[in-house]
Order: sequence, then structure tokens, then C-alpha cells
Amino acid sequence: GAVVSQHPSRVICKSGTSVKIECRSLDFQATTMFWYRQFPKQSLMLMATSNEGSKATYEQGVEKDKFLINHASLTLSTLTVTSAHPEDSSFYICSARKNIQYFGAGTRLSVL
Amino acid sequence: KQEVTQIPAALSVPEGENLVLNCSFTDSAIYNLQWFRQDPGKGLTSLLLIQSSQREQTSGRLNASLDKSSGRSTLYIAASQPGDSATYLCAVPAEGSSNTGKLIFGQGTTLQVKP
Repeated sequence: GAVVSQHPSRVICKSGTSVKIECRSLDFQATTMFWYRQFPKQSLMLMATSNEGSKATYEQGVEKDKFLINHASLTLSTLTVTSAHPEDSSFYICSARKNIQYFGAGTRLSVL
Repeated sequence: KQEVTQIPAALSVPEGENLVLNCSFTDSAIYNLQWFRQDPGKGLTSLLLIQSSQREQTSGRLNASLDKSSGRSTLYIAASQPGDSATYLCAVPAEGSSNTGKLIFGQGTTLQVKP
């Protein structure tokens, strides 16, 4: 089946630093990818839609300047958490669609 | 606005039991409904996808049903095994009858199957 690779799986950083998370579709092209956020014991919440070659579309309440999304190729989308703070600590998951949604393994971000 | 609810939030059963997980959604105009499995600290694995025109889908010991008119879906797991222990999530498209790929998730049912 289709595979979506997400990297890194875990990152620990100091408050104020920026963190980049990559999401790759390994065996198919994805003009659209999605970024979700999951707090402990809660479900996934859609943050934004990443569009290849154009600006991302953010959900209501998601700060576009805090969560920078770049979709420079048909197989790669990146999410950069800028000036991360402890409240940004969460599990971030990306997905891409090939008939159905395929999800990455997620990135656990811990901001100290 | 579409809302997805799953009950129960948690379930613990002995190995071998048959069990039913419930998912309800407020807007019945959905394109499809998908059930996922999430292991602790991991991403999601798609289990079953039911198109809006379908009533059920089966994969091995899993059977998912869909009743759009009542806004409900159930995931039936037969002869549960310890390896089935995980969180099960249902999701529907965020934009109803469109298949844009954006999903709205329920909060999940965390299942523990005891040996």
C-alpha cells in the first residue's frame, strides 16, 4: 500500500527555537497533504491543508505565522513550528491521499 | 458544522469476546466514513472505508456498518485478541459530500483486550 513517511519521529527542543517536520509520500504524488495535531488523550484536529505550489490553507484558530507550511514538490510537505513554546508540545501527524488517506507515523514534539 | 462522537471512550474485555464500537456524526451528508487504528505514540492505520452508498465493509475479523440516515456507524470486532488493543478512531470528511481529503475525527475508543 501507499506509504507516507514522516520525520523526525521525536524532537525535543528549547523554547524559542524552530522545528521542521517533513512529510513525504514515498510511492505516489500528492498535490495536497494535511497536517493534524493531537493532544494527549484527545483526537486529531486538522491544522492546515498543504497545497503543492501554492499557499497552505489554515483552519480557523491556527496561526499561520507560527506554523509555516511549505509544499515545494509533489512528494514533500514541511511543517515548521516557529519560536516553539511549551504549549506547542504535541503530536503532529501528516496525511496524504491516494484513494484513501494514508498517515505518517507522527512526530512527538516536546518543547522545554 | 460536522461533529463526530465515539462511545465508549474506553473498553476493556477478555480475549475472545466480540465487541462493538460506536461512532455517530451530526451531518448525514457524508461522502464516506473511515475507521482507523492508532497504537500508542504512533500514526494511524486505515482499517475500513465505507462509501456513502454502502451499508457495510468487512476485513477479516472486522466489520463496519454505516447508517447515514441515523448518523451512525459501528465497528464490530469478532473474537478479540490482545493484539487488537489500540485506539480506534472514526472519521468523516470535513466538507460533507465532498471528498477533499480533510477529515474530522471522533475522540476514539481505547480498547484493551486482556489475555
